[in-house]
Amino acid sequence: AQKITQTQPGMFVQEKEAVTLDCTYDTSDQSYGLFWYKQPSSGEMIFLIYQGSYDEQNATEGRYSLNFQKARKSANLVISASQLGDSAMYFCAMREGMGGSYIPTFGRGTSLIVHP
Amino acid sequence: NAGVTQTPKFQVLKTGQSMTLQCAQDMNHNSMYWYRQDPGMGLRLIYYSASEGTTDKGEVPNGYNVSRLNKREFSLRLESAAPSQTSVYFCASSGEQFFGPGTRLTVL
Repeated sequence: AQKITQTQPGMFVQEKEAVTLDCTYDTSDQSYGLFWYKQPSSGEMIFLIYQGSYDEQNATEGRYSLNFQKARKSANLVISASQLGDSAMYFCAMREGMGGSYIPTFGRGTSLIVHP
Repeated sequence: NAGVTQTPKFQVLKTGQSMTLQCAQDMNHNSMYWYRQDPGMGLRLIYYSASEGTTDKGEVPNGYNVSRLNKREFSLRLESAAPSQTSVYFCASSGEQFFGPGTRLTVL
């Protein structure tokens, strides 16, 4: 079974609107971390936002917020007021602790296209 | 402060050739990672190093070896390249994953 599932291969949004990118995860660990990354067409991987499993409040970073629903094992990324520069691939990832090392697992990504 | 650097940025190899991908970080992180990214597959972990002097296999280690030379440097070696190793390779450091710019490798 996949540890990170991103069910939306592609998403489209109108400029200035909000968009939610879905991510569900599977782990039996109590302590874990959830991440979102952006990969524009230039290819670099850009860290966006992090949520720890014990964090009670949803993480926010500027226009990015992570909608963390622990019981549902979901960690959706919400981008408010989309901009043309938000067009990119977005990857959800989970870090589980294993013997003191952190083993990251990535989803397959969602392609976001922002229309003017 | 350069972050995570990788060399080379592009490389073309013939089947059976060997090469080493270099990665260095100047952020004093303990953990370093090597990934490969193939179309539609996201990133898959090849090897990681939790600290200087230790390395462990990830999801797809076959055909690769690594060396954690010191705290700053973590290299990935392909001893006998195969077309299936055509991919984009990323190095990253720390738990939050600061990534290098990537190496695009083609094996003919």
